[in-house]
Amino acid sequence: DSGVTQTPKHLITATGQRVTLRCSPRSGDLSVYWYQQSLDQGLQFLIQYYNGEERAKGNILERFSAQQFPDLHSELNLSSLELGDSALYFCASSGRARDIQYFGAGTRLSVL
Amino acid sequence: AQTVTQSQPEMSVQEAETVTLSCTYDTSESNYYLFWYKQPPSRQMILVIRQEAYKQQNATENRFSVNFQKAAKSFSLKISDSQLGDTAMYFCAHYNFNKFYFGSGTKLNVKP
Repeated sequence: DSGVTQTPKHLITATGQRVTLRCSPRSGDLSVYWYQQSLDQGLQFLIQYYNGEERAKGNILERFSAQQFPDLHSELNLSSLELGDSALYFCASSGRARDIQYFGAGTRLSVL
Repeated sequence: AQTVTQSQPEMSVQEAETVTLSCTYDTSESNYYLFWYKQPPSRQMILVIRQEAYKQQNATENRFSVNFQKAAKSFSLKISDSQLGDTAMYFCAHYNFNKFYFGSGTKLNVKP
């Protein structure tokens, strides 16, 4: 167990809808990262937050947004969903050694 | 652009033998970190090994070792005494400036 909790594990929704994915980092970790993994592909970095502030941005679509709350949990919001958004979404957290990430089990999103 | 390339989509190895997975990366920075992650069928991302670019000594973790060639921007993973539990997707990753870049992965099958 990495200590990073992601909910829900699975999410099935329809095109055009909006969903929220939640991530609780390891206790004490200030950094949270979000990734998208489409079928049989590598992880695409979406966005990073550090102690509530956006720190780095990757290939995140304008339809997607994220935030990190004062209790350090983070949410990834996906709106106007398309079939191509179906993927595994990972959250990871890191502490003082910012290069060492601990991954959650992921949320599998299916857009029908 | 910072990219990570894994040129072997799939590899097979007999149990107890040795296999080497290749990875090349592109960066203009001198200080960065490199990683190999394992993703078994459970989809959990597991850190296998980590290398700091300013360290010339190759990292080793039990049966896993790397061959880090900084000038060639090459970072291969050697798995010795392969075990059935090593069957998984293996991702090479590069970290710099708060962003992680992952390769497309190599699917490793360990055969009994």
